[in-house]
Amino acid sequence: EAGVVQSPRYKIIEKKQPVAFWCNPISGHNTLYWYLQNLGQGPELLIRYENEEAVDDSQLPKDRFSAERLKGVDSTLKIQPAELGDSAVYLCASSPTGLADNEQFFGPGTRLTVL
Amino acid sequence: GNSVTQMEGPVTLSEEAFLTINCTYTATGYPSLFWYVQYPGEGLQLLLKATKADDKGSNKGFEATYRKETTSFHLEKGSVQVSDSAVYFCALSLGSSNTGKLIFGQGTTLQVKP
Repeated sequence: EAGVVQSPRYKIIEKKQPVAFWCNPISGHNTLYWYLQNLGQGPELLIRYENEEAVDDSQLPKDRFSAERLKGVDSTLKIQPAELGDSAVYLCASSPTGLADNEQFFGPGTRLTVL
Repeated sequence: GNSVTQMEGPVTLSEEAFLTINCTYTATGYPSLFWYVQYPGEGLQLLLKATKADDKGSNKGFEATYRKETTSFHLEKGSVQVSDSAVYFCALSLGSSNTGKLIFGQGTTLQVKP
């Protein structure tokens, strides 16, 4: 069974440029998460989807970040414009449901460097 | 608020040594507790979990017991191997309203030397 797929794996951009990350969750997983991981820290949730609905986006900086999961399968996270402080690893995860004791399956992440 | 605190790393051990990585949490309600591991060059993966007080999670020789009285979920292994070198994250998830949100500690790097 294929795991969570993310692309690109690495991205280097200059500040003020836009950038987008793509995630394809495990087939059949209704819940999709985007996390931000700064160097030396644990991941922090940005947004959670149940199918195509964003049910928790309270930590998403909406002035510059946006996300979508149009058909309830793959998802895109966008930053426009990027700032130096956005340099981090962006992780996508999925789980069969959003229940608290469900295992979340993580992708390899996209490492963003903003110059 | 809800949070997880792990012991500072890196932890450096010789092969076959005993491992303890401390984890304590603060939470409203009754969380599920997890240990995730990140091997070099790989994504985070679940190592073990416990969903209620006094439960013991175990996997690959690692164990952790959900201690409500001390709000702790310490990770232990009796004899570590070089292949256990990784970053270990303690995390909690709260059960109300299908939140499913994981709150992570800062991670503890384990280095095992032959």
